[in-house]
Amino acid sequence: DTEVTQTPKHLVMGMTNKKSLKCEQHMGHRAMYWYKQKAKKPPELMFVYSYEKLSINESVPSRFSPECPNSSLLNLHLHALQPEDSALYLCASSQVRGGNQPQHFGDGTRLSIL
Amino acid sequence: AQKITQTQPGMFVQEKEAVTLDCTYDTSDPSYGLFWYKQPSSGEMIFLIYQGSYDQQNATEGRYSLNFQKARKSANLVISASQLGDSAMYFCAMREAQSGSARQLTFGSGTQLTVLP
Repeated sequence: DTEVTQTPKHLVMGMTNKKSLKCEQHMGHRAMYWYKQKAKKPPELMFVYSYEKLSINESVPSRFSPECPNSSLLNLHLHALQPEDSALYLCASSQVRGGNQPQHFGDGTRLSIL
Repeated sequence: AQKITQTQPGMFVQEKEAVTLDCTYDTSDPSYGLFWYKQPSSGEMIFLIYQGSYDQQNATEGRYSLNFQKARKSANLVISASQLGDSAMYFCAMREAQSGSARQLTFGSGTQLTVLP
């Protein structure tokens, strides 16, 4: 079992729908991340939160809206997505400092846009 | 230029044998860390092993060891006594100190390992 929990595991939505992906960790980590991963490719960083504040947005389209309501939770709000947004979305967390500490990943949400 | 290069898109190994997955990196930062992750078809990224740029010894974690050659900028993962459950995608990743306070990672393109019975 992973220490980072993502829900839902699978999501199918139409291009006009609004949905949210959720991520939760209880390891006391104060950095949290969203990644997008296409099949057979490495994860691509989307957003980084550090101490509940957005510190990095990798030029992600506004149809993706992140939210960090507290130190344990990270959401990704989805609206008006495109078919090319179909991918595996991974959440990760880590200590903010401590160079030898890895990012811990969840199982991901497999998103399909119809 | 790519910061992390994994030149083996796919590798096959016989069960119980050892296999080496290659990773080379490029950085001008004297302080950096190298990570290996395993990603089964289920999707989860599983942390395997870490090597810091100032570490004097090669990292080992159970059946995983890292052949770290700093001058050559390589950090190859060695898996000993391969098991069928080792079949997965393996990613090498680097974190540079200059990436800031958040622990950003740069990933390589990955190597798909298949263990044959």
